Amino acid sequence: EIVLTQSPATLSVSPGERATLSCRASQSVSSNLAWYQQKPGQAPRLLFYGASTRATGIPARFSGSGSGTEFTLTISSLQSEDFAVYYCQQNNIWPWTFGQGTKVEIK
Amino acid sequence: QVQLRESGPGLVKPSETLSLTCTVSGGSISSFFWSWIRQPPGKGLEWIGYIYYNGNTNYNPSLQSRVTISVDKSKNQFSLKLNSVTAADMAVYYCARRGAPVDVWGQGTTVTVSS
Repeated sequence: EIVLTQSPATLSVSPGERATLSCRASQSVSSNLAWYQQKPGQAPRLLFYGASTRATGIPARFSGSGSGTEFTLTISSLQSEDFAVYYCQQNNIWPWTFGQGTKVEIK
Repeated sequence: QVQLRESGPGLVKPSETLSLTCTVSGGSISSFFWSWIRQPPGKGLEWIGYIYYNGNTNYNPSLQSRVTISVDKSKNQFSLKLNSVTAADMAVYYCARRGAPVDVWGQGTTVTVSS
């Protein structure tokens, strides 16, 4: 199965700063990659699909990029509600898999 | 707006069968496909499998020997059965719409495995 490796595991950022999260695939997933945000006690929420297509209602401060094996989620100016765990997920080859997550915490 | 809700026992004994149902409201189950995903405590997410409204399924090979997902279109529900559970199956179980990507999630239900 395809392994997704997210880095860093934890990212400490001050409000208003930029956050850059990485997701690396063990083999190419083309652009079949999604990003989700999960807050404690909640289900994940879809942020991006197709690597860079923003889901409905997602603010423009979030951006997604990449293809093949290297992907990036960028939050341009962190807001208080953005502190959460972020997961990437590939849907190119079954079984679909998730990365282990990056926790974005307040510095 | 489509909503999903998981239901089923929160406690299952080791070696027994975990059974969960997901009820779809605000839309028909007779389109898209429908997934089960789980998250062990403090850990990441694992796809269990998915089912099309016509009954076609696809299971994670790591669980395939123990998993059955079924659909009941008359009730707008789909269900998960996981046999021979162990402590490793303790998790929050989510039902979800689609998978590529998931665009609607249930709120999740916690399943504990204990005698």
